[in-house]
Amino acid sequence: EDQVTQSPEALRLQEGESSSLNCSYTVSGLRGLFWYRQDPGKGPEFLFTLYSAGEEKEKERLKATLTKKESFLHITAPKPEDSATYLCAVQAYYGDSWGKLQFGAGTQVVVTP
Amino acid sequence: EPEVTQTPSHQVTQMGQEVILRCVPISNHLYFYWYRQILGQKVEFLVSFYNNEISEKSEIFDDQFSVERPDGSNFTLKIRSTKLEDSAMYFCASSEAQGWTYEQYFGPGTRLTVT
Repeated sequence: EDQVTQSPEALRLQEGESSSLNCSYTVSGLRGLFWYRQDPGKGPEFLFTLYSAGEEKEKERLKATLTKKESFLHITAPKPEDSATYLCAVQAYYGDSWGKLQFGAGTQVVVTP
Repeated sequence: EPEVTQTPSHQVTQMGQEVILRCVPISNHLYFYWYRQILGQKVEFLVSFYNNEISEKSEIFDDQFSVERPDGSNFTLKIRSTKLEDSAMYFCASSEAQGWTYEQYFGPGTRLTVT
């Protein structure tokens, strides 16, 4: 059975204190791994897609990396506005499947001034 | 910037009533999805829709659920007879199928409360 596990569940950072979030996955065939940001009461906001091991993507203070078993989301010098829940999702090959996303439980990040 | 919109933002209904949740996907997108998130739980896939047909559905998406694209812009999720356990945030998403670009863009959600 496919699984997506995120750690830690929650992370409290001081402004400027860099850290990394982990997403480990087991799927039969990975089509893509996605990172989303979710603010309370809102829909997931797309951040990155990673397709193959070794790939890296960057956006402002965020950098996502992918290996064959896990992905990391690095937050460099975070600011309070980076506070959110970060969701990881995988899209796998399932015959004719048209790309349902399977989400992890998320990491809730709080950045304090 | 194009975005997915959803109405209403909050729907309160009594158990056994029918509800219709509405979504307007991004205009040039061809694939549409519904997900739900029960409070404090993971986002869960419900159904995907392409070319006026369901392409995939989860075990959650039983006979009480249906989807429709009634016109060129709207995409709806109907729950025929709501149950208390249907209370959740419902998210619509859409994606543009072009090569390997399968990013799904989500709407702001409809909070469904069943009493």
